[in-house]
Amino acid sequence: KAGVTQTPRYLIKTRGQQVTLSCSPISGHRSVSWYQQTPGQGLQFLFEYFSETQRNKGNFPGRFSGRQFSNSRSEMNVSTLELGDSALYLCASSLDLGTETQYFGPGTRLLVL
Amino acid sequence: AQKITQTQPGMFVQEKEAVTLDCTYDTSDQSYGLFWYKQPSSGEMIFLIYQGSYDEQNATEGRYSLNFQKARKSANLVISASQLGDSAMYFCAMRPRTSGYSTLTFGKGTMLLVSP
Repeated sequence: KAGVTQTPRYLIKTRGQQVTLSCSPISGHRSVSWYQQTPGQGLQFLFEYFSETQRNKGNFPGRFSGRQFSNSRSEMNVSTLELGDSALYLCASSLDLGTETQYFGPGTRLLVL
Repeated sequence: AQKITQTQPGMFVQEKEAVTLDCTYDTSDQSYGLFWYKQPSSGEMIFLIYQGSYDEQNATEGRYSLNFQKARKSANLVISASQLGDSAMYFCAMRPRTSGYSTLTFGKGTMLLVSP
């Protein structure tokens, strides 16, 4: 069974631009979560989607948004990029909400110049 | 709120030796899951092992075992017979077991370096 895939793997943007990251979960997994990882803040939860609905949200500004499609694929969008948005963005999928183990993708490395 | 503490920023071990990575947690939830992930320099978070708070036996997965001491709120990862490929960042994480929505909380991680 294929793992979680994320595209693109690397991205360079400039301040003020917007970016869309994509995540395809493991087949059959219905929950998708997004995390931001930076050297200073570590791993921080962004949001979780299940059945096309955002079920949980971390403490990030409204510039960070996401959505989930009927096939469970998910996208996250960051508008008006700031230098501090440079990070590794990780997507994780699990069978269901709650306690199921989350399996991560390879991540998208975003650099904002 | 949950908190994970990994007190070892870095650990060194020689190949074929065993190593223990420490993890303590703080939670008011009675039911929760504990996880360990490995992150090589490539960035991908690789799931290693899971322990439920009500599991009576310590979890094991191949060379990985989780030393779970509930009263002390510790969930240390033991890697037996270290290999060069084990060099990576290791994260301890927990997630409350609820019927609703709960998030995975991570520790700061421990960098493990395995030398020949």
